[in-house]
Amino acid sequence: EVQLVQSGAEVKKSGESLKISCQVSGYSFSTYWIAWVRQMPGKGLEWMGSIYPYDSDSRYSPSFQGEVTISADMSVNTAYLQWTSLKASDSGIYYCVRQADTVKEFDYWGQGTQVTVSS
Amino acid sequence: ILMTQSPSSQPASVGDRVIITCRASHNIGDYLNWYQHKAGKAPKLLIYSASILQSGVPSRFSGSGSGTDFTLTISSLQPEDLATYYCQHSYTFPFTFGPGTKVDLK
Repeated sequence: EVQLVQSGAEVKKSGESLKISCQVSGYSFSTYWIAWVRQMPGKGLEWMGSIYPYDSDSRYSPSFQGEVTISADMSVNTAYLQWTSLKASDSGIYYCVRQADTVKEFDYWGQGTQVTVSS
Repeated sequence: ILMTQSPSSQPASVGDRVIITCRASHNIGDYLNWYQHKAGKAPKLLIYSASILQSGVPSRFSGSGSGTDFTLTISSLQPEDLATYYCQHSYTFPFTFGPGTKVDLK
């Protein structure tokens, strides 16, 4: 059974750093792209970026390039999303998602990680 | 590639046929996917490659279109279908979602 299990909710202050995780099981982690998707409070879904764990090839949305870093560790089947200096506007729910092979559709989703940043 | 959806809100009654449209700013072939999102839950893939029903999704959901214009149809709305629906292209990076269509009760 394919599963993506994300780390728990975080409450941080502006300026702090953060790294959230997404541990996968039930499939070959290294050979599927993993994406991160944000939902800000009351807003829609935004694709942030994706990583191919096998060679760490990473692609970012222009809106998030330079603001976050996506990484992956094949030894523990885990993808990460990190910030070096959080802003209040980073508050939201963050989902990791597996991209299937067919047309790179997002077929399996993590449960989401709530990030709250106070100013 | 920009994605637009209409309507932004769709009030409907149980049993109604609901149609949501999605338009891409460039030709994306059939690289178009639809998701259902309910509050407090992770989004769910409904349809990929414009018209292929994801395993386990009820057959009242269907998708059509290619190029720039796409449609999601719910043939007979059920109470559990009340949610926000998003289209998304996966033609090339950067992937983008449409702004969403909220389907609620009339």
